[in-house]
Amino acid sequence: DTAVSQTPKYLVTQMGNDKSIKCEQNLGHDTMYWYKQDSKKFLKIMFSYNNKELIINETVPNRFSPKSPDKAHLNLHINSLELGDSAVYFCASSPGKHYNEQFFGPGTRLTVL
Amino acid sequence: AQSVAQPEDQVNVAEGNPLTVKCTYSVSGNPYLFWYVQYPNRGLQFLLKYITGDNLVKGSYGFEAEFNKSQTSFHLKKPSALVSDSALYFCAVRDDTTGKLIFGQGTTLQVKP
Repeated sequence: DTAVSQTPKYLVTQMGNDKSIKCEQNLGHDTMYWYKQDSKKFLKIMFSYNNKELIINETVPNRFSPKSPDKAHLNLHINSLELGDSAVYFCASSPGKHYNEQFFGPGTRLTVL
Repeated sequence: AQSVAQPEDQVNVAEGNPLTVKCTYSVSGNPYLFWYVQYPNRGLQFLLKYITGDNLVKGSYGFEAEFNKSQTSFHLKKPSALVSDSALYFCAVRDDTTGKLIFGQGTTLQVKP
């Protein structure tokens, strides 16, 4: 009965590969987010979807493409992985885009070799 | 632009002593301020928020935060620290236009027995 889940938990891959991270929330929320936490623990938003519509698209390389097939899912696809993409990626959700509290998933640790 | 700053990378406290984790903010309108905690290898958990109202906000696990408009601060406090409070703490401000959270750099709290 995990509220926000992500798969995989760990992802180790070679430079140049393409990979996807999946996120699902069973809270009935309308809004979902992707955050990146770098090696210094700094957290920054990447994307947000509200009712399957992209509402936040920060300055992120276009190798990163989010997809929201429905309100409960937000996936992140990364093409041509680079060393600098190594980080922990967190998915989060909230009832609406102006709602106060966001609920975070456990994170996906991506290591690019 | 909205921003928050956490001036301390690490705070060390003895168990049973009061703790304070500092946060200052810069916003162009009304501040919507949050504290989140991240335990090792886990996602972020919401602790408390200030939207409006009383300057002293009570949250989870015995934490509270004091909103001070004149000093543009939102410090996190607890009267008596526990070893289990040791974690990474993030202050955040919500951008009211997009709903995204803008995080501070994070402060590691170490509570020693």
